[in-house]
Amino acid sequence: NFMLTQPHSVSESPGKTVIISCTRSSGSIASTYVQWYQQRPGDAPTMVIYEDNQRPSGVPDRFSGSIDSSSNSASLTISGLKTEDEADYYCQSYDTNNPGVFGGGTKLTVL
Amino acid sequence: QIQLQQSGPGLVKPSQTLSLTCAISGDSVSSTSAAWSWIRQSPSRGLEWLGRTYYRTKWYSDYATSVKSRITIKPDTSNNQFSLQLQSVTPEDTALYYCARDRSGYGYFDHWGQGTRVIVSS
Repeated sequence: NFMLTQPHSVSESPGKTVIISCTRSSGSIASTYVQWYQQRPGDAPTMVIYEDNQRPSGVPDRFSGSIDSSSNSASLTISGLKTEDEADYYCQSYDTNNPGVFGGGTKLTVL
Repeated sequence: QIQLQQSGPGLVKPSQTLSLTCAISGDSVSSTSAAWSWIRQSPSRGLEWLGRTYYRTKWYSDYATSVKSRITIKPDTSNNQFSLQLQSVTPEDTALYYCARDRSGYGYFDHWGQGTRVIVSS
């Protein structure tokens, strides 16, 4: 069993780039894929990254994902920030007995 | 396109059973590649995967350790839907409940229901 830890909140200005981290507590971050979800207030989560760095159809290329084995973490990068990107973001990965291990979420404020 | 439509009561009394249904359109509950999960969200527990059902050569159900003793997730092939039953609920089970499709069985939750807010209160 492992946990995924995210910063509680981040903020950045429109047009800038923000990076949200997700650190795995045990086991290699590379051992199972990481997904990222965006959740706007009142809405269900929607997938924005799957398999560490793949974008589902319809997700703009301003969203990108990566993993870093040295820090045992995954990152979601959002470039050219827009006010519509303001949301909660969750990382998620797979464990043998739990396909849905979620991070605690990061609130992104675009100010 | 794939849509998941949830139904069920939003208020359940303590010690009773929470029951929700998720109707699938655009895919089949009997898909041999997807899995069908229930996930809940609360301020205290965040997003918590509860369990899933899926079909390969037979039906399987897996459950989170935290609720394993009181949860049942079942497919309904006649109506192309699946259900959640959570027994002996307490106020700690108050949450927003989602059904979701895991397109691979490895935690790719690519389609979600609209969510059902369930309050456990007398």
